[in-house]
Amino acid sequence: NAGVMQNPRHLVRRRGQEARLRCSPMKGHSHVYWYRQLPEEGLKFMVYLQKENIIDESGMPKERFSAEFPKEGPSILRIQQVVRGDSAAYFCASSPLQLAGQTDTQYFGPGTRLTVL
Amino acid sequence: KQEVTQIPAALSVPEGENLVLNCSFTDSAIYNLQWFRQDPGKGLTSLLLIQSSQREQTSGRLNASLDKSSGRSTLYIAASQPGDSATYLCAVNTGGFKTIFGAGTRLFVKA
Repeated sequence: NAGVMQNPRHLVRRRGQEARLRCSPMKGHSHVYWYRQLPEEGLKFMVYLQKENIIDESGMPKERFSAEFPKEGPSILRIQQVVRGDSAAYFCASSPLQLAGQTDTQYFGPGTRLTVL
Repeated sequence: KQEVTQIPAALSVPEGENLVLNCSFTDSAIYNLQWFRQDPGKGLTSLLLIQSSQREQTSGRLNASLDKSSGRSTLYIAASQPGDSATYLCAVNTGGFKTIFGAGTRLFVKA
């Protein structure tokens, strides 16, 4: 059973370009979470998705950032018109179960390290 | 607003030493607390998950305790090894779908 997969592992973009980060959850997992880790900081929650639904996006910046988890295929985190401050590690996690008000163990991918020049 | 703090930020110990990593949180109304390990350039590995109704969890040389009333958790590592060198992250879930992470403790175990 393959773990959570993210690609690319490293992504370099120039200011103003678009960045697309992909996450394939573990087999059987239908819950996906995206986190951002700035240098020397902990992970910050961005968004929680189920298939075809955004459940909680309270951690997403209001502009330029969007996320989706289509019925088929990986979850995508999209950053438009990137700026240097977007440089960070972006982690995806998945879980098999979401009980009301609780979070099951989250399994994390290796992350995508985005560098904006 | 839930805040998670980890002390110390960095720790260097000789091999074989027992050590304790500390995590504190401001809101005691949590559903669970998780300890993760993060290796450089890699993702996170879940070490221990403690549900709010539990006081501690053990896995091998690791033992995590939870005291909700005081807003504290500790991760105890027995007989540390160079392979334990990594960043250890504490994360709490206070309901809903967010997990709040501390900034981590960077551990270096000297051979």
